[in-house]
Amino acid sequence: GAGVSQSPSNKVTEKGKDVELRCDPISGHTALYWYRQSLGQGLEFLIYFQGNSAPDKSGLPSDRFSAERTGGSVSTLTIQRTQQEDSAVYLCASSPGLGEKLFFGSGTQLSVL
Amino acid sequence: SQQGEEDPQALSIQEGENATMNCSYKTSINNLQWYRQNSGRGLVHLILIRSNEREKHSGRLRVTLDTSKKSSSLLITASRAADTASYFCATENSGYALNFGKGTSLLVTP
Repeated sequence: GAGVSQSPSNKVTEKGKDVELRCDPISGHTALYWYRQSLGQGLEFLIYFQGNSAPDKSGLPSDRFSAERTGGSVSTLTIQRTQQEDSAVYLCASSPGLGEKLFFGSGTQLSVL
Repeated sequence: SQQGEEDPQALSIQEGENATMNCSYKTSINNLQWYRQNSGRGLVHLILIRSNEREKHSGRLRVTLDTSKKSSSLLITASRAADTASYFCATENSGYALNFGKGTSLLVTP
């Protein structure tokens, strides 16, 4: 595809359930990022992958959050035992390399009831 | 980790006027980037300025960088209603992901 694709666009779940959010980066981009944005707030860094290096997980808020990137392409962000405070827009971005401009997907709006 | 801080938090101007937003950060950087966000979803990259550059232009956008003051400014000239959006600065340092500020919300009224 031409841009970064995220799915689903919207996700409503019940407290305590697990959710998986998917990101398809631009082909050939080696860097992939996940950010979270609560209503009216800035972007909170969660995790990023750069090539074959170990991911930088320093932004993950708790051990309920995890992410993987298979084959250097598609990434999945998993939130286990969701809580209401997890409600936010989850944004994925990719870039040709570290330090270069980011291309963002349209995000997944997660609502935990 | 470092974070850019935009100022002001909100800005309201009329079409045709110029809009200036500022960004301050805490530690040394490799580059600083500005992004725009419409309707609370995906961000769009506007401009990247490297630490050894002082000014860059792109269309109606002008970005300055003062590394001695650890600050940057984004100027939008001759603003249009379509410029209404949130604007974020993001700083990059080797080995770390881009760190975003909380943004400036710009409203341009006809």
